[in-house]
Amino acid sequence: EPEVTQTPSHQVTQMGQEVILRCVPISNHLYFYWYRQILGQKVEFLVSFYNNEISEKSEIFDDQFSVERPDGSNFTLKIRSTKLEDSAMYFCASRMTDNSNQPQHFGDGTRLSIL
Amino acid sequence: AQSVTQLGSHVSVSEGALVLLRCNYSSSVPPYLFWYVQYPNQGLQLLLKYTSAATLVKGINGFEAEFKKSETSFHLTKPSAHMSDAAEYFCAVSDGDKLSFGAGTTVTVRA
Repeated sequence: EPEVTQTPSHQVTQMGQEVILRCVPISNHLYFYWYRQILGQKVEFLVSFYNNEISEKSEIFDDQFSVERPDGSNFTLKIRSTKLEDSAMYFCASRMTDNSNQPQHFGDGTRLSIL
Repeated sequence: AQSVTQLGSHVSVSEGALVLLRCNYSSSVPPYLFWYVQYPNQGLQLLLKYTSAATLVKGINGFEAEFKKSETSFHLTKPSAHMSDAAEYFCAVSDGDKLSFGAGTTVTVRA
């Protein structure tokens, strides 16, 4: 069964450094998402992306965050200058359509640790 | 905005016993609801979804959930717990283009 894949599985970065989290969505999916889960808290929506544009973003997704689909397969989340509070598990998800009744398919996540 | 609330952050059951995980939703429109499971060190895997076709929804691994509009609930059940069911379970609702998740319920299974 097709899967969403994320790399790396664990990223350790010094505060203030830039970090790029990578995702390969399911190949025929058109809608892409990033979520994060701070330890002990809910899974929170960050951003949705379609047709090379951000469709929706949460208040968490400030100017320090950006997303890109640099080629036909990868979908990346960049944090420009990391803060301690960016430490979390980041999940990428994708789905074929934007119909609300269609589930999103998630990757295994990247655990980001900011030192 | 649509939201869900999961009652009980932790549930402990004996192997072979009923698993019941509670989820209540708040939605101004007919909701689309999902249950996801997260095994240790893995991502979110879809267990089942409610999309208004039927109120009793069967999912993978013997789980099912019943949509009750009068109670605004979508509780997840499994008649007989297995050790492999130990995981964290998330209820979620479609909120526009995104999913809004509950806080999650961790299930432990006692031998």
